[in-house]
Amino acid sequence: AQSVTQLGSHVSVSEGALVLLRCNYSSSVPPYLFWYVQYPNQGLQLLLKYTSAATLVKGINGFEAEFKKSETSFHLTKPSAHMSDAAEYFCAVSDQLGNQFYFGTGTSLTVIP
Amino acid sequence: NAGVMQNPRHLVRRRGQEARLRCSPMKGHSHVYWYRQLPEEGLKFMVYLQKENIIDESGMPKERFSAEFPKEGPSILRIQQVVRGDSAAYFCASSPPNRSGNTIYFGEGSWLTVV
Repeated sequence: AQSVTQLGSHVSVSEGALVLLRCNYSSSVPPYLFWYVQYPNQGLQLLLKYTSAATLVKGINGFEAEFKKSETSFHLTKPSAHMSDAAEYFCAVSDQLGNQFYFGTGTSLTVIP
Repeated sequence: NAGVMQNPRHLVRRRGQEARLRCSPMKGHSHVYWYRQLPEEGLKFMVYLQKENIIDESGMPKERFSAEFPKEGPSILRIQQVVRGDSAAYFCASSPPNRSGNTIYFGEGSWLTVV
């Protein structure tokens, strides 16, 4: 069975600082991994996904994530935080059939001016 | 190409009433997922449907909740005899037929408030 764990339910960074949101997964088969962003009162938007191609995945809005099999991690990073990045971020894993997507509990990112 | 459409966006129901939430998947998508998001919690999977078939309903509460995705028309999540604990945001997502490695695309959500 697949699952994801997001360490840190709340993360605060200063504007311009590095953003690092952590995600560890558990999967008995090669996983597909996703990061989604949710702005207040809106649905989830896809930031990026890993599907066994390049281990470093680039997404929208300057975000990227690196798949590290040895660490079972898929952490999300952005070199320089912007005020507009303040949102809830969800890591997700799916099985290869796409029957289910398992979401983490989310990390709320606050950007301090 | 319109995205996943959910309605209503906001719904208020009194305890004991029924709530119906609708979801029209993206064009060309034949798979629908429903998730529930409670305050300060993550997304919880409820049910996965294809046209006229429930594929996985392992996340659905045993009573009062049902879902369908008819041959024609939107998918509907139905909650009978709502209680205060049903207050949540309900998100629908869809994906295309070939799902391996595919992304699911979310609607804007339906916020249910039970008073």
